[in-house]
Amino acid sequence: EPEVTQTPSHQVTQMGQEVILRCVPISNHLYFYWYRQILGQKVEFLVSFYNNEISEKSEIFDDQFSVERPDGSNFTLKIRSTKLEDSAMYFCASRESTDTQYFGPGTRLTVL
Amino acid sequence: EDQVTQSPEALRLQEGESSSLNCSYTVSGLRGLFWYRQDPGKGPEFLFTLYSAGEEKEKERLKATLTKKESFLHITAPKPEDSATYLCAVQAGRGSYIPTFGRGTSLIVHP
Repeated sequence: EPEVTQTPSHQVTQMGQEVILRCVPISNHLYFYWYRQILGQKVEFLVSFYNNEISEKSEIFDDQFSVERPDGSNFTLKIRSTKLEDSAMYFCASRESTDTQYFGPGTRLTVL
Repeated sequence: EDQVTQSPEALRLQEGESSSLNCSYTVSGLRGLFWYRQDPGKGPEFLFTLYSAGEEKEKERLKATLTKKESFLHITAPKPEDSATYLCAVQAGRGSYIPTFGRGTSLIVHP
């Protein structure tokens, strides 16, 4: 069964450093998303991406964040200068034309 | 603003003890309601999508139902492997199609 994959599973970084989180969405899906979940809290939307451009973004997704689909399979989230409060699980999700989103296993980001 | 409230926050059951989880929502025109299962340290795993009041969907020991104000996830004769956090998310039918998630119900099933 096709699934969303994410790498790395755990990323540890120093405050102020740049990180890139990678995702491979399900191959025939057209819509891609990034969410985050701070430990013990709700899943929060960051950004959605369709047709090679951002379609929606939340207030969390400020100038330190960017997304890219560098090729036909990968979808990346870059955090330019990490802060302590960026520590969270980051989930990639994708969907085809229906509304149901399928999530990846997540990347645990720890900012020291 | 769309709101999703899940109750209870935590639920402990004995194996075989059936129960229901609740998801109450406030949204302007529901487009869809989603149930996910999340294991610790893992991503949400899709269970069901419901679109209209009266709709029901089943998968193994789980059944999801929907009314105009809430959804229930019924768990029949649960097993320890059903232990997880169950997330509810709603998608409004206007403007943004981004789902709003509830905080989840943490279910523990004791053998």
